Amino acid sequence: GESVGLHLPTLSVQEGDNSIINCAYSNSASDYFIWYKQESGKGPQFIIDIRSNMDKRQGQRVTVLLNKTVKHLSLQIAATQPGDSAVYFCAELNYGGSQGNLIFGKGTKLSVKP
Amino acid sequence: DTAVSQTPKYLVTQMGNDKSIKCEQNLGHDTMYWYKQDSKKFLKIMFSYNNKELIINETVPNRFSPKSPDKAHLNLHINSLELGDSAVYFCASSQDRGGSYTFGSGTRLTVV
Repeated sequence: GESVGLHLPTLSVQEGDNSIINCAYSNSASDYFIWYKQESGKGPQFIIDIRSNMDKRQGQRVTVLLNKTVKHLSLQIAATQPGDSAVYFCAELNYGGSQGNLIFGKGTKLSVKP
Repeated sequence: DTAVSQTPKYLVTQMGNDKSIKCEQNLGHDTMYWYKQDSKKFLKIMFSYNNKELIINETVPNRFSPKSPDKAHLNLHINSLELGDSAVYFCASSQDRGGSYTFGSGTRLTVV
């Protein structure tokens, strides 16, 4: 079946280090991918997105890499800060899919140690 | 102004009751959604709706029904609540089905 999964459920990093959160997806027809950040007691918040015709996109302190060959997505956070502590979700969308809704992965909890 | 707002933030109710969760978006988006987040943080689509089409995830019990009085609102009505309905419910909206979603802050439903 179609699914979006994550390699690591938890990730602990030292403040100032770079963080890498990985995601594997199974639907090779997915066109669009988004990373969301969810802080405790809040809704998912958009971080960065990438379309399937790209392999890299950079934002402020964040970079998303897409490897369609192995169906892998990663989120890199530079100089991780305590405020980055949250659960991170990758999500995929297939424009031509029967429902065309955003499908979420299971989430990775990022903890930043001061 | 909050882009996507849900009320109430917390809802505690007894089994068998009927309850509603309200959602409003002021982004002018065309499509709205309801997601359920379980205790393991997994987010699962329940409904998507625009002024033309309602799409229901086939795994959602028919005790759950979305109601949209207008394009800016999508309320979630739940009949005969069960213990397993306890979760956090998120409303979201997007400009169209192909764009990023903006989420509300969630409603934590506890059925006792």
